[in-house]
Amino acid sequence: GAVVSQHPSRVICKSGTSVKIECRSLDFQATTMFWYRQFPKQSLMLMATSNEGSKATYEQGVEKDKFLINHASLTLSTLTVTSAHPEDSSFYICSATGEAFNYGYTFGSGTRLTVV
Amino acid sequence: KQEVTQIPAALSVPEGENLVLNCSFTDSAIYNLQWFRQDPGKGLTSLLLIQSSQREQTSGRLNASLDKSSGRSTLYIAASQPGDSATYLCAVPNSGNTPLVFGKGTRLSVIA
Repeated sequence: GAVVSQHPSRVICKSGTSVKIECRSLDFQATTMFWYRQFPKQSLMLMATSNEGSKATYEQGVEKDKFLINHASLTLSTLTVTSAHPEDSSFYICSATGEAFNYGYTFGSGTRLTVV
Repeated sequence: KQEVTQIPAALSVPEGENLVLNCSFTDSAIYNLQWFRQDPGKGLTSLLLIQSSQREQTSGRLNASLDKSSGRSTLYIAASQPGDSATYLCAVPNSGNTPLVFGKGTRLSVIA
């Protein structure tokens, strides 16, 4: 149980375009989902917290208009990187939690975004 | 503000050794504690979840303990194997659906 599927695993896009990353909880209802980014050899950095049906809560320094988060259902959250620039290149990971697993946290496999 | 510290930052051991990874947290009012492993370029894999009312959890060669009052957890790996090489992360949420607070991890290398 407790499987989170994240797609795509890798994406290369041109500067100025937008990219959408999906995070799905396959076998449980994820009341809360989290989005992180990680630079090489560094720790995970929390970007935002999203609750189903509510607006996401962004961490300080994260531009909400650039990183659009939608959590329209209990099994799907999306992160859209708008007008991507090379500095947005990073490893993005989602995580989900819910009551069914005593609020243990399950992580997706991550998305490697490269903006050229 | 919750802070999580992991010691050591890196560890290199020969295959077959038993080893202990340490995690400490400053605020003992945690909901649960979770140990993860992360392989390079990959997401996080959950290893063990210990609820605040529990003292330990076991899965195969892994055993994690929790001492809430002293703010400590240990991850014991028995008979280490090269496949155990990864970064091990300890994390706690302050309540059921709040963001995890992570330690910086222990980078483990098991040498064949």
